[in-house]
Amino acid sequence: DVKVTQSSRYLVKRTGEKVFLECVQDMDHENMFWYRQDPGLGLRLIYFSYDVKMKEKGDIPEGYSVSREKKERFSLILESASTNQTSMYLCASSSLSGNQPQHFGDGTRLSIL
Amino acid sequence: RKEVEQDPGPFNVPEGATVAFNCTYSNSASQSFFWYRQDCRKEPKLLMSVYSSGNEDGRFTAQLNRASQYISLLIRDSKLSDSATYLCAVNLNSGGYQKVTFGTGTKLQVIP
Repeated sequence: DVKVTQSSRYLVKRTGEKVFLECVQDMDHENMFWYRQDPGLGLRLIYFSYDVKMKEKGDIPEGYSVSREKKERFSLILESASTNQTSMYLCASSSLSGNQPQHFGDGTRLSIL
Repeated sequence: RKEVEQDPGPFNVPEGATVAFNCTYSNSASQSFFWYRQDCRKEPKLLMSVYSSGNEDGRFTAQLNRASQYISLLIRDSKLSDSATYLCAVNLNSGGYQKVTFGTGTKLQVIP
């Protein structure tokens, strides 16, 4: 079974802090994704990566950056957290080969005070 | 028009009923399709892929209609434990990488 692990289930930070969300997958997947999910808005793609050191902007990259130094790890960084970044953050991974589904981590519920 | 659309529901059905959801997509070049189940405050979990010829997994049947650009999920003999939000996902290979668009989900509530 694919295992995608996110570093924290719940996180509380303050406005202006730099926040790191970590994601690790154990299936040697090339593709990794970061989403946020808010009520009524569904899953919105922030950034994705299809290879080590590669990154692409998703639909809502503003206020975020990412890092992929190793194939199994994809980090999401909130440069200066703001209250409108309070959300559920979901990491996912998938294989590059064929049309494969994404597999999600448990999610991080982030609150910015 | 949204790339992927679902009726948000909720669909309230009695135990034992059959219920079906549709998901429409706008890009005719879309290549693969999936249904996910998401419980409240949890992550989406892959329920099943959707194959061109249709496929079944126990009480669940998924179908693809390319001509009308929609996929469907049929749940027979609904159980209380089927209560969840069902998300569709549509995959398009674009520029050498995978672009997946998720619907916002259809909420199902199975009532005793």
